[in-house]
Amino acid sequence: EAQVTQNPRYLITVTGKKLTVTCSQNMNHEYMSWYRQDPGLGLRQIYYSMNVEVTDKGDVPEGYKVSRKEKRNFPLILESPSPNQTSLYFCASNWGGGSQETQYFGPGTRLLVL
Amino acid sequence: GENVEQHPSTLSVQEGDSAVIKCTYSDSASNYFPWYKQELGKGPQLIIDIRSNVGEKKDQRIAVTLNKTAKHFSLHITETQPEDSAVYFCAASKGSNYQLIWGAGTKLIIKP
Repeated sequence: EAQVTQNPRYLITVTGKKLTVTCSQNMNHEYMSWYRQDPGLGLRQIYYSMNVEVTDKGDVPEGYKVSRKEKRNFPLILESPSPNQTSLYFCASNWGGGSQETQYFGPGTRLLVL
Repeated sequence: GENVEQHPSTLSVQEGDSAVIKCTYSDSASNYFPWYKQELGKGPQLIIDIRSNVGEKKDQRIAVTLNKTAKHFSLHITETQPEDSAVYFCAASKGSNYQLIWGAGTKLIIKP
């Protein structure tokens, strides 16, 4: 089944404790992206990647890191999480580098930073 | 900066009636306008999209209209059903083509 998977789905952590949220897609997509969703703000892009070893900042990259060593995986790293990073996170992918294609979203990761 | 305004934030309609959600964008270079539906506990899923060279597009009970002069576009759902209950997001492409600007979302409630 074609899908985007994220792990973990739920995570509670404390301020400053490094964490990684994994994202994997099995559709051979080139473009992958991370979003955060907050009430009243919609979806805001954190980072995106157009291909292996090519990443770029989205609209809200502060406090986050990403890497794209393999085509299928695009982990999101919070080196020193803070409470304002409490949010619902989505990974997405699509075939090409443009936004003008259907994006396939993962199920989401709900993060609480205490 | 560029933004997309979406209204209303919550919409409650009787089953069988129509629902309309409106979005206004600011980037005149935007040329692609998708609509995504997010069901509870799931990620958003594309339901329909429209490009700037088209004024209207339909897919069964769903339609999208675009007015480039006024910089607004709308989602129309006819004969609403309980399974239409969800959060709907509009978006507009940025000039770079690699990113979208998203609206804040509309929670659609279908009353039985």
